[in-house]
Amino acid sequence: DTGVSQDPRHKITKRGQNVTFRCDPISEHNRLYWYRQTLGQGPEFLTYFQNEAQLEKSRLLSDRFSAERPKGSFSTLEIQRTEQGDSAMYLCASSFEGVNTEAFFGQGTRLTVV
Amino acid sequence: AQKITQTQPGMFVQEKEAVTLDCTYDTSDQSYGLFWYKQPSSGEMIFLIYQGSYDEQNATEGRYSLNFQKARKSANLVISASQLGDSAMYFCAMRGTNRDDKIIFGKGTRLHILP
Repeated sequence: DTGVSQDPRHKITKRGQNVTFRCDPISEHNRLYWYRQTLGQGPEFLTYFQNEAQLEKSRLLSDRFSAERPKGSFSTLEIQRTEQGDSAMYLCASSFEGVNTEAFFGQGTRLTVV
Repeated sequence: AQKITQTQPGMFVQEKEAVTLDCTYDTSDQSYGLFWYKQPSSGEMIFLIYQGSYDEQNATEGRYSLNFQKARKSANLVISASQLGDSAMYFCAMRGTNRDDKIIFGKGTRLHILP
């Protein structure tokens, strides 16, 4: 397994457009996380999955954000009607279930909304 | 709700000195895990060290050790004999149990190692 992979690595979009990001986790991992990170800040939790079930979505997240993990494998994060404030690095991570298991991160997708 | 606090936005340390990065946390869970990650300027998140809430000994991984003080709810990272390559952002993170076992992160500390 080559680790967590994210696609695309970079995305530039015009304000108001929809964008979709993909994350392929480590295949044995049942947990998958999405985070947003802006420059100089820590990863901000967005949502996470146990297999195909979405366990929690951040209350700070607007309805323009949606995530799926249809077959418990890869996941997509969609942002509708993008705004300039959505510009950030979007990180995906995966892990086993369990308090003592670390998360492994992908390289992230850098979104720029112009 | 769980919370991680890192109060040092930035630190400058001379090469070869030891450095302590502070982390305090808040949780109502009895069982939880604490993690430290390193993020160099290249952007990848690198897992460094883990401490479980029921672990009796402080975790160590090479030059990294975790000063875990459960009663004070602190989990400070100690880097011994710092190297230039240690310059990076460092994040403390926590994972709870039961219904709130997502991993949350602090705001981070930017560490600069001076030659």
